[in-house]
Amino acid sequence: GEDVEQSLFLSVREGDSSVINCTYTDSSSTYLYWYKQEPGAGLQLLTYIFSNMDMKQDQRLTVLLNKKDKHLSLRIADTQTGDSAIYFCAESADHTGFQKLVFGTGTRLLVSP
Amino acid sequence: ETGVTQTPRHLVMGMTNKKSLKCEQHLGHNAMYWYKQSAKKPLELMFVYSLEERVENNSVPSRFSPECPNSSHLFLHLHTLQPEDSALYLCASSQDRNQPQHFGDGTRLSIL
Repeated sequence: GEDVEQSLFLSVREGDSSVINCTYTDSSSTYLYWYKQEPGAGLQLLTYIFSNMDMKQDQRLTVLLNKKDKHLSLRIADTQTGDSAIYFCAESADHTGFQKLVFGTGTRLLVSP
Repeated sequence: ETGVTQTPRHLVMGMTNKKSLKCEQHLGHNAMYWYKQSAKKPLELMFVYSLEERVENNSVPSRFSPECPNSSHLFLHLHTLQPEDSALYLCASSQDRNQPQHFGDGTRLSIL
């Protein structure tokens, strides 16, 4: 079955780069997603990558996909205190005619001044 | 208003009460979803609607009853809930059922 794993916690200093890692199991995933959740809020879609791509860059965010190892990473350049949140990785799995998202348990990013 | 709006933001109810959660999307999307987010567990998909037709019921107990009267609105009717149903309930929508999902801010539900 589908499974997504992430480390639970990451702590960085303001201005440093953050790298959040994720492994997934479904090799047929079409898209892989990164969502951000701030306290008291829902999930904000940050970025996503199509499974035939290796890399996607969007301003301070860089997504790297290693399909062979089923490894996905999110790099945040020049991390700011406002980036402190929980980051969820999700894989998409074709399921009875719709795209079912399977989420990891989230990585809590703490950015200190 | 833009995006996905959920009301109420917080709800406290007894086990014998009946209440409803409401979700409204202003994105022109055709698919809507209910998720449950419990502490220390991955998000659990509950229901999926596409063009107002339910396409997924992910083994959810019958005390949760969804309703999708049109493509912009989604409800979750609650009755006779249990303490373990306390969680954050998130609504999402997507252009169609194979496109990225956009989430609301959720309803924090507490069952006494």
